[in-house]
Amino acid sequence: GAVVSQHPSRVICKSGTSVKIECRSLDFQATTMFWYRQFPKKSLMLMATSNEGSKATYEQGVEKDKFLINHASLTLSTLTVTSAHPEDSSFYICSAPAQGGNTGELFFGEGSRLTVL
Amino acid sequence: LAKTTQPISMDSYEGQEVNITCSHNNIATNDYITWYQQFPSQGPRFIIQGYKTKVTNEVASLFIPADRKSSTLSLPRVSLSDTAVYYCLVGGYSGNTPLVFGKGTRLSVIA
Repeated sequence: GAVVSQHPSRVICKSGTSVKIECRSLDFQATTMFWYRQFPKKSLMLMATSNEGSKATYEQGVEKDKFLINHASLTLSTLTVTSAHPEDSSFYICSAPAQGGNTGELFFGEGSRLTVL
Repeated sequence: LAKTTQPISMDSYEGQEVNITCSHNNIATNDYITWYQQFPSQGPRFIIQGYKTKVTNEVASLFIPADRKSSTLSLPRVSLSDTAVYYCLVGGYSGNTPLVFGKGTRLSVIA
């Protein structure tokens, strides 16, 4: 199946700094990618839809100025957590739809665990 | 987007067959049913997908009744490594439609 890769897998930062997480589709093009966050023992929560060449669409309650999303190419979407605080500590997961598919199948990255001190 | 309901948790002994049922009463005509598996600190992994009747692959079977208001994931002869959270998702005729995750079922396999 298609591969989606995230980097870094783990990051620890100080409060107030910004952290960038990359999501790449390795063997297919993704005009759309989805970003989720997951707290311990909770389900995945959709944060935003990343669209190549246009602005991301954010879910209700997600601050677009806090979580900057850029989808500059057909294989790369980035999520930047700006001025991170301890409450932003979470597991961030990106996904991309199966290329050309119409079934809604998603390929997920390995996830990036952010810890803000 | 169709909402799904699953048992919060299930326990099973190794070697047993496990069936996890998911309810999705307001599934739309174009919606597919997809099951994912997630281990701790990993992204979800696709298990199986279906639209109606029965689908089988090398790891699981998916049973979907005619009214499509529910589906059952069947894992044959589970092992300890099948301990994970299993999510049932419904939707996505368009590949650009995000899938909304329910709470999932936490399966614990016991030796």
